[in-house]
Amino acid sequence: DTEVTQTPKHLVMGMTNKKSLKCEQHMGHRAMYWYKQKAKKPPELMFVYSYEKLSINESVPSRFSPECPNSSLLNLHLHALQPEDSALYLCASSQAPGTSWYGQYFGPGTRLTVT
Amino acid sequence: GENVEQHPSTLSVQEGDSAVIKCTYSDSASNYFPWYKQELGKRPQLIIDIRSNVGEKKDQRIAVTLNKTAKHFSLHITETQPEDSAVYFCAASIYGGSQGNLIFGKGTKLSVKP
Repeated sequence: DTEVTQTPKHLVMGMTNKKSLKCEQHMGHRAMYWYKQKAKKPPELMFVYSYEKLSINESVPSRFSPECPNSSLLNLHLHALQPEDSALYLCASSQAPGTSWYGQYFGPGTRLTVT
Repeated sequence: GENVEQHPSTLSVQEGDSAVIKCTYSDSASNYFPWYKQELGKRPQLIIDIRSNVGEKKDQRIAVTLNKTAKHFSLHITETQPEDSAVYFCAASIYGGSQGNLIFGKGTKLSVKP
């Protein structure tokens, strides 16, 4: 199942670095999501884009900045992260909320380590 | 807001036995309940879901039941196999709602012993 792809698979960055995570979906979905997942915990919602517009920001620190260039792409820009931000970052997509069906389908994730 | 409780946190069964994982939710407006399987180091995978207009749904060895009155839903896996070993997450949301965000339970680690 590779219909939601994420790059890179692994990322190690220092606290002063700037990096970006990328997500792409090929299912024609109009809603895309960023989740953060710590070990042995459920995914924790960070952002929701619906029709390329940010519809939810779950009180995420400004060092995380999402971007949705088009309906297939989702980026997460990272700047001045803290070691506690180390986690698996998951992208997901679904048909837009309010339409007839929206199972969310996850990408493989980016394993982020902040040193 | 919605809160989803999931039990048990760990479950160990013998191969061939059945496994049942239960979840309760708090918001009576929730009407969409997916289940995800996450193997170690992999993505959560949607394995089955149910909407509140049905009470049960089956897909081969997997079934989900929903009791709207009691606000709980359960995952049933029959004839378990070692490859069923994973963490299972239940979730709830408002299908057709304006935001579409899922509220997850804390997960159940299922171990199937050969």
